[in-house]
Formats: sequence, C-alpha cells, structure tokens
Amino acid sequence: EAQVTQNPRYLITVTGKKLTVTCSQNMNHEYMSWYRQDPGLGLRQIYYSMNVEVTDKGDVPEGYKVSRKEKRNFPLILESPSPNQTSLYFCASRRGQNSNQPQHFGDGTRLSIL
Amino acid sequence: AQSVTQLGSHVSVSEGALVLLRCNYSSSVPPYLFWYVQYPNQGLQLLLKYTTGATLVKGINGFEAEFKKSETSFHLTKPSAHMSDAAEYFCAVTINTGNQFYFGTGTSLTVIP
Repeated sequence: EAQVTQNPRYLITVTGKKLTVTCSQNMNHEYMSWYRQDPGLGLRQIYYSMNVEVTDKGDVPEGYKVSRKEKRNFPLILESPSPNQTSLYFCASRRGQNSNQPQHFGDGTRLSIL
Repeated sequence: AQSVTQLGSHVSVSEGALVLLRCNYSSSVPPYLFWYVQYPNQGLQLLLKYTTGATLVKGINGFEAEFKKSETSFHLTKPSAHMSDAAEYFCAVTINTGNQFYFGTGTSLTVIP
C-alpha cells in the first residue's frame, strides 16, 4: 500500500530535549515536505526537499532542521524544542519535480513541548 | 509569493443542502490550486486540483470547484451534503515552478441531520 509513515504519532517532551520525527514514503517520490498545523493558522510549510541532499526552507523553518540522505526518508529534527513548537506536524511526498502533482500526507505527529 | 484566504472558518449546512466553501487566492503568476479534506485524526486527502485547461474541475465524493481568474477564486461546491462530508477543508496554492505550498486556514464543515 502506498503510504507516508510518520513516527511517533504522539509525543510529550520537555523544553530543550532534542527530538526527531521520522517520515518515510514507499512511493519513490522525489519531493517531500514538512508542515505544521495550528488552530486558526492552517498548515504552514517548514522545509521541503526536491531530492536526495536537496533541501530548502519553507515559511516557518526557525527552530527546525531536516536531512535527506535517502530518497524515502525525510526526518524533522528539533534540536532544542520550545513550547511554541507544540503543534500537529505532517509530512507529505509528491511524485516528480512538477508542482502540479498532488501531495500524499502522513497521518500526523502531535507534539507537546512542556 | 502566493497566499490563500478561506472565508468562514465554520460552515454548517443541512443534509441534502448545497455546500459552498470559499477560497480566494493571490498570485502574480498562473496558480495551481488544490482542495484537500481532513477527517479527524487523519492526514489530508486530495479532493481536486486545477492546474491548466478546463476551469471547472470535478473531484472525488461529488465535489467540484471552478477556477475564476477574474475573481481570483476557487470555490468548492457540492450539490447535496451528506453526513460523511463533515470534515475540515483546506484550499492550497502553488505555482508551476514552485515548491512552496500555501494553505488557507481551513473551513470546518458541519452537516446537520
């Protein structure tokens, strides 16, 4: 089954404790992206990657890091999480370089930073 | 840069009534427009998209949207609401050379029996 898998689905942690949210897709998609969803703000793009070793900032990259060492994986790293990063996070992937292709979304990761 | 405005964060309709969810976009170049639906505790699923060609686009579950360049709009409609349509709906915009996506703030649709 074609899917985007995020782990963990839920995480409660404390300020300053480094964490990584993994994202993996099995569709051989070139493009991957991370979003955060906050009430009243919709989804905002954090980072995206056009292919292996190619990443770029979205609208709200501050406080986040990403890497794309393999085509299927695109982890989101919070080096020193803060309470304002409490949010619902989604990973998405898309076939090819062309932005007219739809994105496939994971089921989300709910992060709570205390 | 592009942007999307969704008017009405909450919309309620009776079962069987017309569904109209509004989306206006801003883009200095021809946009690509998408509608996604989000059910509780799930990710987003594509309903429909407009890239080029026919301005009336049909999607899944009986939804359709019309791209109106003169009004910079891409409103989502469905002739007859069903209880299973209750969800959050997001409009999104990008451009043909873009890799950044801009989502609206979402509209929560409630269907009243």
